Amino acid sequence: KAGVTQTPRYLIKTRGQQVTLSCSPISGHRSVSWYQQTPGQGLQFLFEYFSETQRNKGNFPGRFSGRQFSNSRSEMNVSTLELGDSALYLCASRGLQQETQYFGPGTRLLVL
Amino acid sequence: AQKVTQAQTEISVVEKEDVTLDCVYETRDTTYYLFWYKQPPSGELVFLIRRNSFDEQNEISGRYSWNFQKSTSSFNFTITASQVVDSAVYFCALSEAYQAGTALIFGKGTTLSVSS
Repeated sequence: KAGVTQTPRYLIKTRGQQVTLSCSPISGHRSVSWYQQTPGQGLQFLFEYFSETQRNKGNFPGRFSGRQFSNSRSEMNVSTLELGDSALYLCASRGLQQETQYFGPGTRLLVL
Repeated sequence: AQKVTQAQTEISVVEKEDVTLDCVYETRDTTYYLFWYKQPPSGELVFLIRRNSFDEQNEISGRYSWNFQKSTSSFNFTITASQVVDSAVYFCALSEAYQAGTALIFGKGTTLSVSS
């Protein structure tokens, strides 16, 4: 079974721009979560989507948003990018009534 | 509030040494899940093990073993006879019951360096 895939793998943007990251979960998984990893703050939960509905949200500003499509693929969007948004963004999926999240390779975002 | 503490920031060992990574957690939930993930330089988080709060049975899997003790809120991970390929950042994580959402709370990670 194919794992979680994320595109793009690397991205360079400038301050003020917006960016959209994509995540395809493991086949059959309907829950997708997003995490931000930075050297200073570590791994932090952004949000979780299940059946196209945001189920849980971390403590991030409204510039961070996401959505999930009917095929369970998810996108996250960051508007008005700031230098501090430079990070590794990880997506994870899990199966129905399963506790374990399986992670993708991540998207490395650099904001200049 | 939930919290995970990995007091060891970095550990360096020589191949074939045993190494234990410590994890202490805080939660007020009675049902919760504990995880260990490995992050090699490529960046992807690789799932290693999950433990439920109601299952304190410890486990050995090959060179890996885990020690879960609710009395001390600890979930430690031991690598026996370490190898260079074990070099990575190891994260301990906690989540509450999945019905309430599965946000993982991660520790800061322990960087393990195994030299030959």
